[in-house]
Amino acid sequence: EPEVTQTPSHQVTQMGQEVILRCVPISNHLYFYWYRQILGQKVEFLVSFYNNEISEKSEIFDDQFSVERPDGSNFTLKIRSTKLEDSAMYFCASSTRPPTSYEQYFGPGTRLTVT
Amino acid sequence: GEDVEQSLFLSVREGDSSVINCTYTDSSSTYLYWYKQEPGAGLQLLTYIFSNMDMKQDQRLTVLLNKKDKHLSLRIADTQTGDSAIYFCADPPDGYNAGNMLTFGGGTRLMVKP
Repeated sequence: EPEVTQTPSHQVTQMGQEVILRCVPISNHLYFYWYRQILGQKVEFLVSFYNNEISEKSEIFDDQFSVERPDGSNFTLKIRSTKLEDSAMYFCASSTRPPTSYEQYFGPGTRLTVT
Repeated sequence: GEDVEQSLFLSVREGDSSVINCTYTDSSSTYLYWYKQEPGAGLQLLTYIFSNMDMKQDQRLTVLLNKKDKHLSLRIADTQTGDSAIYFCADPPDGYNAGNMLTFGGGTRLMVKP
């Protein structure tokens, strides 16, 4: 069964460093998302991406964040200068174009630890 | 904005039924979802219900939707130890547009005792 994959599973970085989190969405999906879950808190939406541009973003997704689909398979989230409060589990998700499916399929997540 | 609330914790004995509840505020929801998160793992889509339905059954899972009260529940029949996980309800606010975010509840941790 096709699935969303994410790399790395765990990333440790120092405050102020740039990180790139990578995702490979399901191959026929057209909508891509990033969510994060700070330990013990709710899963929060960051950004959605369609047709090579951002569809929607939350207030969390400030200028320190960017997303890119550099080729036909990868979808990346870049944090330019990490802060301690960026430590969280980051989930990538993808979905097909409605009305075929309204489901968002999630990857296993990347645990980001900022020290 | 949209708010989705769940109770934090539920403990049941193996073989019993579990009922996990969720309330939401957005009245224009088109679909409502249940996701499962096992320890150290990602979010697995369990089931969903279209807003014009009251009930959906999928093997051991039954989803009930009360639109008037904006209340969603997930019933797991014959709960097994493998069902121990955190269960999240999720709602795309303002109807569904595929670019829309999902708003998640805080998750209900289900513990199944042998």
